[in-house]
Amino acid sequence: SQTIHQWPATLVQPVGSPLSLECTVEGTSNPNLYWYRQAAGRGLQLLFYSVGIGQISSEVPQNLSASRPQDRQFILSSKKLLLSDSGFYLCAWEEGVETQYFGPGTRLLVL
Amino acid sequence: QKEVEQDPGPLSVPEGAIVSLNCTYSNSAFQYFMWYRQYSRKGPELLMYTYSSGNKEDGRFTAQVDKSSKYISLFIRDSQPSDSATYLCAMSGVSGGSNYKLTFGKGTLLTVNP
Repeated sequence: SQTIHQWPATLVQPVGSPLSLECTVEGTSNPNLYWYRQAAGRGLQLLFYSVGIGQISSEVPQNLSASRPQDRQFILSSKKLLLSDSGFYLCAWEEGVETQYFGPGTRLLVL
Repeated sequence: QKEVEQDPGPLSVPEGAIVSLNCTYSNSAFQYFMWYRQYSRKGPELLMYTYSSGNKEDGRFTAQVDKSSKYISLFIRDSQPSDSATYLCAMSGVSGGSNYKLTFGKGTLLTVNP
């Protein structure tokens, strides 16, 4: 069965510091992968998605970036965090065009 | 008009009540409809999946899709305190060679009181 991992689970970072969040998927090959941010009362905001190694599409302009160095690894990064980057970050993998399965999430607090 | 509209609640019901959660949408190309359940500080988990119109039942949960009205519902029978969570509707589709990515409602916060 497929499993999706995210780490760290919680992160507290100062403004201006760099960020690296990692997501890995097990039990599937060549999945479509997604990064979402969920802010309180604002629903899920799609940030990036990837259909393969090195292929990244950005949905929202921001100071975040994503990379996919391996088939089942998806990384979310920032060079300098802003206060507005605080939120709950979710990675998901997609089965066809039908359903997405989410990881446990990373809670980021930028102070 | 937003693509997917969902009443954010919060919705509070007594244990044993029947709960009705709803979403409306505007894109007629949507054909795959899902409900996710998200407990506090956890990732969403897929609860129900329905293709096109009709009903689907899984235990105490029933998902209904009415494509003519662009309206989907999730019913929870004999609600339990463990059903307390945020419920998100989501939908996607393929039409004319275009893929319409999974689009989420903002979620409805449900509390079931013992």
